[in-house]
Parts: sequence; structure tokens; C-alpha cells
Amino acid sequence: DVKVTQSSRYLVKRTGEKVFLECVQDMDHENMFWYRQDPGLGLRLIYFSYDVKMKEKGDIPEGYSVSREKKERFSLILESASTNQTSMYLCASRLTGGTNYEQYFGPGTRLTVT
Amino acid sequence: QKEVEQNSGPLSVPEGAIASLNCTYSDRGSQSFFWYRQYSGKSPELIMFIYSNGDKEDGRFTAQLNKASQYVSLLIRDSQPSDSATYLCAVGYSGTYKYIFGTGTRLKVLA
Repeated sequence: DVKVTQSSRYLVKRTGEKVFLECVQDMDHENMFWYRQDPGLGLRLIYFSYDVKMKEKGDIPEGYSVSREKKERFSLILESASTNQTSMYLCASRLTGGTNYEQYFGPGTRLTVT
Repeated sequence: QKEVEQNSGPLSVPEGAIASLNCTYSDRGSQSFFWYRQYSGKSPELIMFIYSNGDKEDGRFTAQLNKASQYVSLLIRDSQPSDSATYLCAVGYSGTYKYIFGTGTRLKVLA
């Protein structure tokens, strides 16, 4: 069965803190994604990783960085959290091969920055 | 700019009826189409995907793709209150790793 897990369901951080969100998949998928989801704006891609140590910026990478040291793990880092980064963060993975393949999402992390 | 549009709803249907959810897309280079269901506070869950023109059925769900008119639909037969959720349409394009998501249609099935 497909399984994507995220380190926290809910997280509250203060402005200026460095925040780490972790995502682990057990499907041996090459590709992994980080999105944020906000009401009225839908899902927006932050970063994409197509293999270990490989990454591409998505549509809204500013204020974020990522790390992929192992195939199963993809981390999203908020270098200095700000209130406008309060959002639902979703990790997803898929087989390589482009958009012919479906993505599977983790349960999400609802981050609040105060 | 590639766009995917969905009516935000809510779309209200009585229990047992057919719910019809629509999605239009702007780019003819689109190659793959996905429907996700998202319950409030939860993450999207894949329901179906379709690549070719026509209908694809899976249980109570049918996806319909019309590339000439640039729309994809999801029909839910015998709707149940448990089908009440937001339905997201996602479109994949050849030559890119990205999907474009619509903002979703909220479905309410009334008991």
C-alpha cells in the first residue's frame, strides 16, 4: 500500500525561527514534491526533487529550501519563518516518468507562524 | 499561462443522485488528468486518472475526457453523504514535471 508520511500534523512556530518539515515515502519513488495549500489559491508547488540531491524550484520557492539526501526522505526548510508562511504543507511522491504518473500525498502539516 | 478552472461550488445534490463535477483547462498540450478528493482538514486522495478521450469507469465514479473541448468531468453515481468533500482536478503536461491544479469544487450530498 502506498505510504507517504509527514513528521508533524500540526506545528506552531514563532516568527524568525528555522523550521524543518520532513516527508518520508516507502514506495521507492524517484520524484518528490512540496506544496502549500491556501484557501482560494489551491495547491502551489514550492519545490520538486527528481532524484537524490537533485531539485528544481517550483512556482513559489522564495523563503524555502529543500534537502534530499536519501531517496525516501525529502525535507522542506523555512529559513526564517514569517506569518505569511502560515499554511497547510503537503508532500507528494510519484514514480519518475513525468506527469503520466499520479502523485500520492502525505497527510499534510498545518503550520502556524505567530 | 496554463490554467485549470473549476466552479468552487458548493454543488448540492440529494443522496442517491448523480453528481457531475467539471474542469476546464487552457492548454492543448495537456496529456494527463487526475481527480482527487479532499475532505476538510485532510490531504488530497487520488480517485481516478484518465489520459484518452472518452469515459473511464471505476465503481461509482466515471471520468470523462473531451480534449477537443478541453474539459474533463467526474460523475459520481448514487451519491452518498460520505462523498461530501472538495474535488480537485489536476492536469499534467508533456515535457514538464509539474501538474496544474484547479482550486476545487465543494460537493455537498444531502441526506
